[in-house]
Amino acid sequence: GAVVSQHPSWVICKSGTSVKIECRSLDFQATTMFWYRQFPKQSLMLMATSNEGSKATYEQGVEKDKFLINHASLTLSTLTVTSAHPEDSSFYICSATSPTGAIYEQYFGPGTRLTVT
Amino acid sequence: EDQVTQSPEALRLQEGESSSLNCSYTVSGLRGLFWYRQDPGKGPEFLFTLYSAGEEKEKERLKATLTKKESFLHITAPKPEDSATYLCAVQASTNAGKSTFGDGTTLTVKP
Repeated sequence: GAVVSQHPSWVICKSGTSVKIECRSLDFQATTMFWYRQFPKQSLMLMATSNEGSKATYEQGVEKDKFLINHASLTLSTLTVTSAHPEDSSFYICSATSPTGAIYEQYFGPGTRLTVT
Repeated sequence: EDQVTQSPEALRLQEGESSSLNCSYTVSGLRGLFWYRQDPGKGPEFLFTLYSAGEEKEKERLKATLTKKESFLHITAPKPEDSATYLCAVQASTNAGKSTFGDGTTLTVKP
């Protein structure tokens, strides 16, 4: 159980275009989804927290107009990188969670490698 | 502010050589501590949740323990396939669902 998928697994796009990444919880309903960014040999950097049906909460320093997050249902969240630039190239990982009692165990997707040329 | 520090940063072991990874934390009201395994180019894979000091959990060659200030991930007789980055994270009772991650320990097991 607790499987999270991401699509696409990798994408190459041209500078100035937008890219959408999907995150789905396949076998459970996720009340909350998180989006992370990870640079090579570094740990996870939390970008935003999204709850189904409400606006995402962005971490300090993350541009909300550049990284649009939509949590349309209890099984789907999307991250759209708008007007992508080479500095947006990174590994993006989502996680989904639902409370088990008082604790929220996060289950991660396989990640999406974005390369902006 | 919640903090997680993992040590060592990198660990190289011979196959069969047991060792431990450390995760020191400060958190305002621990709700839970998590261990994950991450392979290169993949998302983290959930391993354990520990809730309170004194708790232990085991899975194959891995055993996680918890005290009030730190957690250890003990690896017994590791194999090359145990090579990965191991991440520790804490969740505070004041943070609904959000976890604070350490920088990880990269384990390499040589045959």
